[in-house]
Amino acid sequence: KAGVTQTPRYLIKTRGQQVTLSCSPISGHRSVSWYQQTPGQGLQFLFEYFSETQRNKGNFPGRFSGRQFSNSRSEMNVSTLELGDSALYLCASSVERSSYNEQFFGPGTRLTVL
Amino acid sequence: EDKVVQSPLSLVVHEGDTVTLNCSYEVTNFRSLLWYKQEKKAPTFLFMLTSSGIEKKSGRLSSILDKKELSSILNITATQTGDSAIYLCAGTGANSKLTFGKGITLSVRP
Repeated sequence: KAGVTQTPRYLIKTRGQQVTLSCSPISGHRSVSWYQQTPGQGLQFLFEYFSETQRNKGNFPGRFSGRQFSNSRSEMNVSTLELGDSALYLCASSVERSSYNEQFFGPGTRLTVL
Repeated sequence: EDKVVQSPLSLVVHEGDTVTLNCSYEVTNFRSLLWYKQEKKAPTFLFMLTSSGIEKKSGRLSSILDKKELSSILNITATQTGDSAIYLCAGTGANSKLTFGKGITLSVRP
C-alpha cells in the first residue's frame, strides 16, 4: 500500500506570494491533518479535515487555509507569505477521525520564503 | 492549552548503551500518547499508548505510559548508530489533534 504523498517536495517563494501544497493520504484513510515544523517551535498542528470538512484548527492566522476533496486528498494554501512561514509542512493521514488511530506522515514539503 | 514536554533535549551515547527518553503531558481529556522517530524525512510511527502500566515493545525499543504521573518513557537498549534521530512524543485529547513535544535529538556514536 502506498504511503502518504505530498507535492511538491520543495518550494521557494518570495514574500507576499501565495502557495498551495497537496497531500494524498494512504488509500482508505479519510482523515488528513496538517502540521508545520520549524526548528524553534517543533511540530505544530494546523488543521484537520475529515469528510471534506475542517474538524479542528490550530492557532494559526487566517492566511493558512485548506480543503479536502471527495477522494480524501487535501490541499493547504498560504496567502501573503511571510519569512516566518519558511518551514517543513507535513500532512498525516489516519483511517478515521479518532484519538485511537495512528497518524502516518508524508515526506513533507519544504517551503522557503525569501 | 495542551502541552507536551520532552527531556532531555539532546543526548549523545555510544553504541551498546541503553537510553531512556522522557515525555510529560498536559492534555485535556487525554486519550493516547504516541511516539515517533524522525530522521531526515517524515516522522515514522513507533508506538501508541492508551493504558497505563502496559509496556509496548518492538525489538530493542519499548515504551510505557504512567497516567498517574502524566508521563511516558521510551527505552532503547543496545543502541546502534541507526537509532540516531529525533524522537517525538505527542498526546491526543478528545479530538484527534496531536500536540507534539519539541523532540529529543539522540546521537549514537560508534
